[in-house]
Amino acid sequence: EAGVAQSPRYKIIEKRQSVAFWCNPISGHATLYWYQQILGQGPKLLIQFQNNGVVDDSQLPKDRFSAERLKGVDSTLKIQPAKLEDSAVYLCASSLERGTNSLLYEQYFGPGTRLTVT
Amino acid sequence: GDSVTQMEGPVTLSEEAFLTINCTYTATGYPSLFWYVQYPGEGLQLLLKATKADDKGSNKGFEATYRKETTSFHLEKGSVQVSDSAVYFCALRGLTGGGNKLTFGTGTQLKVEL
Repeated sequence: EAGVAQSPRYKIIEKRQSVAFWCNPISGHATLYWYQQILGQGPKLLIQFQNNGVVDDSQLPKDRFSAERLKGVDSTLKIQPAKLEDSAVYLCASSLERGTNSLLYEQYFGPGTRLTVT
Repeated sequence: GDSVTQMEGPVTLSEEAFLTINCTYTATGYPSLFWYVQYPGEGLQLLLKATKADDKGSNKGFEATYRKETTSFHLEKGSVQVSDSAVYFCALRGLTGGGNKLTFGTGTQLKVEL
């Protein structure tokens, strides 16, 4: 079974530029998550999709970050314009979960995209 | 809100030494608890989990017991190997929101030397 795919693996941009990350979850997984992992910290959930609908985006800085999952499969996360503090690893994860009350479904993580903003 | 506190690293051990990484949590009710491992250059992998009090999760020689009375989920291994060198994250999945949200600790880097 193929895992969660992410691209690119590394990206270096200057501040105020824009950048986009792509994620393809495990086939059949209804729920997709984007996490931000700043160096020395644990991952922080940015946004969670259930199929193509947003379940939780309470920690997404909506003035500069956006995400979409138009067909309920792959997803893109965009930052525009980027700031120095956006330097981090952006992790995508997926799970089978098809409802909002299940506590049973494991999240599978991709390898992440390491973003450096200079 | 939910939070996880784990011991700071790096933790440096000799091969075959005993490992303990402390983790405590704050959450409402009975969250599910997890340990994830992140090897260099790779994504997070689930190492073990426990979903209710007194459950013991185990995998690859690692163990952790869900202790509600001390709100802890300490990770242990009797004899570490060089290949165990990685960053270990304690996490919880709370009961609020219903969205399967994970809250992570800051991670503990483990270095095992020959």
